[in-house]
Amino acid sequence: DTEVTQTPKHLVMGMTNKKSLKCEQHMGHRAMYWYKQKAKKPPELMFVYSYEKLSINESVPSRFSPECPNSSLLNLHLHALQPEDSALYLCASSHITSGPRGDTQYFGPGTRLTVL
Amino acid sequence: GENVEQHPSTLSVQEGDSAVIKCTYSDSASNYFPWYKQELGKRPQLIIDIRSNVGEKKDQRIAVTLNKTAKHFSLHITETQPEDSAVYFCAAKSGGSNYKLTFGKGTLLTVNP
Repeated sequence: DTEVTQTPKHLVMGMTNKKSLKCEQHMGHRAMYWYKQKAKKPPELMFVYSYEKLSINESVPSRFSPECPNSSLLNLHLHALQPEDSALYLCASSHITSGPRGDTQYFGPGTRLTVL
Repeated sequence: GENVEQHPSTLSVQEGDSAVIKCTYSDSASNYFPWYKQELGKRPQLIIDIRSNVGEKKDQRIAVTLNKTAKHFSLHITETQPEDSAVYFCAAKSGGSNYKLTFGKGTLLTVNP
């Protein structure tokens, strides 16, 4: 399996809702990432997990809560979001080490989130 | 931290022509430079990448060149086709990080039939 999958494809939520985004990969990658992408902008890194531990948090507001239950799964829990949080949320994965195997990040298809 | 600038922001070419997109980076320790293609509503897909120990890499109609001294790298697409129309992002990974890619702002390439 050479793909990163994400569910759901689309999500509409109110500002008081709690929802979760899910990401899965079976490429044996031990680094997993959450990115946020606004229209006509590049992906913006939010979180990085390596060996199921949080390695990087790019000063993301606490209304976004990541979780890595095992080496294949990555979740992003959402609570009390704002309309400006509406965006495409991309998951990615890679090998850990730098070099020919470690550098390449593979992206999932994303979840299109709309906050009303 | 790393800063990546990408030019042009939009590029329109006729089918069959060549297209060139250029990026500059600020961190001399950066050692990995991927290019991603993103079609409307789709995921970013890696199309080619280059490491700092290589000056040029080619894959069919796509090539990337790297000038470490000047800290810039370029994407070259020859014999463009309408299906090459997309947003292209360059990125750089600092040697100090195993994970963080810094992206350029993107180039919208339109290939006119």
